Amino acid sequence: DGGITQSPKYLFRKEGQNVTLSCEQNLNHDAMYWYRQDPGQGLRLIYYSQIVNDFQKGDIAEGYSVSREKKESFPLTVTSAQKNPTAFYLCASSMGRSGEKLFFGSGTQLSVL
Amino acid sequence: KNQVEQSPQSLIILEGKNCTLQCNYTVSPFSNLRWYKQDTGRGPVSLTIMTFSENTKSNGRYTATLDADTKQSSLHITASQLSDSASYICVVGGGGDKLIFGTGTRLQVFP
Repeated sequence: DGGITQSPKYLFRKEGQNVTLSCEQNLNHDAMYWYRQDPGQGLRLIYYSQIVNDFQKGDIAEGYSVSREKKESFPLTVTSAQKNPTAFYLCASSMGRSGEKLFFGSGTQLSVL
Repeated sequence: KNQVEQSPQSLIILEGKNCTLQCNYTVSPFSNLRWYKQDTGRGPVSLTIMTFSENTKSNGRYTATLDADTKQSSLHITASQLSDSASYICVVGGGGDKLIFGTGTRLQVFP
């Protein structure tokens, strides 16, 4: 069953804690993306990667970090430097060519305890 | 400033009725325009992608139109079903493959 899988579905973070969101795809896509969705706002790009071992900052990268050690995996770490982390986080992938359709995971809802 | 504005913000219709959602954009340069459907608590799913040269594209009961001169797009849903209840997001592709997302229209279909 091909697709893009995010885990966990729900995640709670304590103050000062780093947490990592998982994103795995078996679509053989080159490009992967992390977006943040807040109520009443459009999706905002956090980080993206167009090839293994390379990634670029998006519009709101501060307080986040990523890695791309494997083509299939693009984990996102929300660090303690991110002061307002409560949001719905979406991972996406595409073939990486201009105009290609994005395939999204089912999202992770992160909340602060 | 690159912006994508959608209207209405929310919409309630009865099952079986048609509806039209609007998207206006001020993105330059323009590459493509996409419509996505997002169920509550899920990731968006692509409905259509249109380039500058396309002015209409259909996907089942969903038909998107694009007027690149007036920078407007619409998504028409025919014979609505309860499963159409979702948020519909307009996304415009700009220069350098940058995507600008609208805030969405929340559609509720009641029996």
